[in-house]
Amino acid sequence: GNSVTQMEGPVTLSEEAFLTINCTYTATGYPSLFWYVQYPGEGLQLLLKATKADDKGSNKGFEATYRKETTSFHLEKGSVQVSDSAVYFCALRHTGNQFYFGTGTSLTVIP
Amino acid sequence: EAQVTQNPRYLITVTGKKLTVTCSQNMNHEYMSWYRQDPGLGLRQIYYSMNVEVTDKGDVPEGYKVSRKEKRNFPLILESPSPNQTSLYFCASSPHITGGGTDTQYFGPGTRLTVL
Repeated sequence: GNSVTQMEGPVTLSEEAFLTINCTYTATGYPSLFWYVQYPGEGLQLLLKATKADDKGSNKGFEATYRKETTSFHLEKGSVQVSDSAVYFCALRHTGNQFYFGTGTSLTVIP
Repeated sequence: EAQVTQNPRYLITVTGKKLTVTCSQNMNHEYMSWYRQDPGLGLRQIYYSMNVEVTDKGDVPEGYKVSRKEKRNFPLILESPSPNQTSLYFCASSPHITGGGTDTQYFGPGTRLTVL
């Protein structure tokens, strides 16, 4: 079946550190891949997406590349800020329009 | 303002008492969906709808019902709530994309439900 596995948290980083949150997926067909971010007390917001292999999604300094050979979509940012503290979810959209989310990774950035 | 609204935001109820959580979007989106968020499990899709009068089961539909009589509304119905349905619920909507299917989802603020 379809599923998303992302690294366990919580993750704590100092400001300006490099961030990587790993995400791997299992899917039939050719899914679209997403990263969503959830700030405290809010709903999820789309951070970035990629719809086909080798696509790179990017937004607000975050990047992720759709790697079909390793079935991965790791999230990276070169220099995190305190304002990046949130929970990050990796997700895939199955070709049948059903969505699958990972368990979420909590990030705390300390000054 | 383009948005997805949910009501109520917080609800405490008792086992077996029917309840409805409303969801409405003002973006003319075809696709709408309900999720529940539980610690350690992330978001799991309950039901989704590709358009009016079209609904499909997600991963965890048991104990829930939905209807899509109008494009903008997608209520979630718990006919006989049980304590294991205590959770944080999110509604989301999405436009169709060229060539079919759906894409970026816009989420509501969430409804925290407690079933005693």
